[in-house]
Amino acid sequence: DGGITQSPKYLFRKEGQNVTLSCEQNLNHDAMYWYRQDPGQGLRLIYYSQIVNDFQKGDIAEGYSVSREKKESFPLTVTSAQKNPTAFYLCASTSQGGGPLNYGYTFGSGTRLTVV
Amino acid sequence: SQQGEEDPQALSIQEGENATMNCSYKTSINNLQWYRQNSGRGLVHLILIRSNEREKHSGRLRVTLDTSKKSSSLLITASRAADTASYFCATGLPNKIIFGKGTRLHILP
Repeated sequence: DGGITQSPKYLFRKEGQNVTLSCEQNLNHDAMYWYRQDPGQGLRLIYYSQIVNDFQKGDIAEGYSVSREKKESFPLTVTSAQKNPTAFYLCASTSQGGGPLNYGYTFGSGTRLTVV
Repeated sequence: SQQGEEDPQALSIQEGENATMNCSYKTSINNLQWYRQNSGRGLVHLILIRSNEREKHSGRLRVTLDTSKKSSSLLITASRAADTASYFCATGLPNKIIFGKGTRLHILP
């Protein structure tokens, strides 16, 4: 079945440590996105990529980095510069034509990151 | 900001009743979408309504859009326990959509 796979489901990070969240899709979607969700809040956009080897900052990119070396993969690194990384991270993808506003997102099941 | 704001923040109803959630937004849009999120899971796309549409149905879901009032509503008819979830409206730029904080719906047995 086509879909988006996020791993791991749960991740624990020590202070000062970088961690990488995986996002893989087999939907042949061009565009991929990373969102952060805090308890009781909506989703905030971290980074997005519309094409391989290209990505743009979202609203809260500071302390995060991404790469898009393959169409299927869009990993997110939470660096030590992100001072409050505890949150639920969601990866999404969509067909390029018209973007997510015309076709909607397909979401992964999320990674819950906790600082210990 | 083009953020959608859902109302109410939380809603509890008896199973079998209808549930209505509202979304207001601030600027002109091309489309508006509704998503469902079960606890601890990703979001699931429910329905998209375009700015030239006033009403759209999908199964037990009915969405209305009033562009003059910059508002949308999501009606879930004959609610079931499985409808317990958070519901988000989303709107925004073509390559980026902005989510509201959601309505938490709880269906009581």
